Amino acid sequence: QKEVEQNSGPLSVPEGAIASLNCTYSDRGSQSFFWYRQYSGKSPELIMSIYSNGDKEDGRFTAQLNKASQYVSLLIRDSQPSDSATYLCAVTGNQFYFGTGTSLTVIP
Amino acid sequence: KAGVTQTPRYLIKTRGQQVTLSCSPISGHRSVSWYQQTPGQGLQFLFEYFSETQRNKGNFPGRFSGRQFSNSRSEMNVSTLELGDSALYLCASSLGDRDFYEQYFGPGTRLTVT
Repeated sequence: QKEVEQNSGPLSVPEGAIASLNCTYSDRGSQSFFWYRQYSGKSPELIMSIYSNGDKEDGRFTAQLNKASQYVSLLIRDSQPSDSATYLCAVTGNQFYFGTGTSLTVIP
Repeated sequence: KAGVTQTPRYLIKTRGQQVTLSCSPISGHRSVSWYQQTPGQGLQFLFEYFSETQRNKGNFPGRFSGRQFSNSRSEMNVSTLELGDSALYLCASSLGDRDFYEQYFGPGTRLTVT
């Protein structure tokens, strides 16, 4: 079983819509959770970190964590074409574990 | 504050050769982690160094090694290169405090083995 699982997509949403990205993890002891954005040909960029159950908002991004369900999600409101990228979920155990990423395309 | 830097950015090597990649972390960051990224396998963890000591290691053969210097700069070495080692090698730095573990990536080194 993979430590972190994400739907690979591709996920397509129209401009202005809400994009919802999901991630599940296997280690109940995980304490820190992150979302990275990676544009094609570039390195991952940290966009959100969340450490406790509930929602954390930063601009158009909202991260949601549910440790009981071992589930973390990222919502992108008012999606823009510039949000088109691969989104990587990362979870800490004794190291960083990354999911394989979800490809998001925002259609103008 | 300057970000994570990696050198070289691009590298072409021949099978059997060895290569050394360098990473300079964000000032004040004491942890450096290395990853291999390929289209088929995604981001694979190689190892993490903290205060010049290897703190964690992924499932890679012994041909992959690393070290960290007293100024937190890190190097990664791959010996006896194989075609399958062609990948983007990324390093990421963090403060090293496990309770606040945000990692920031460098631009990567694109290694091509022919």
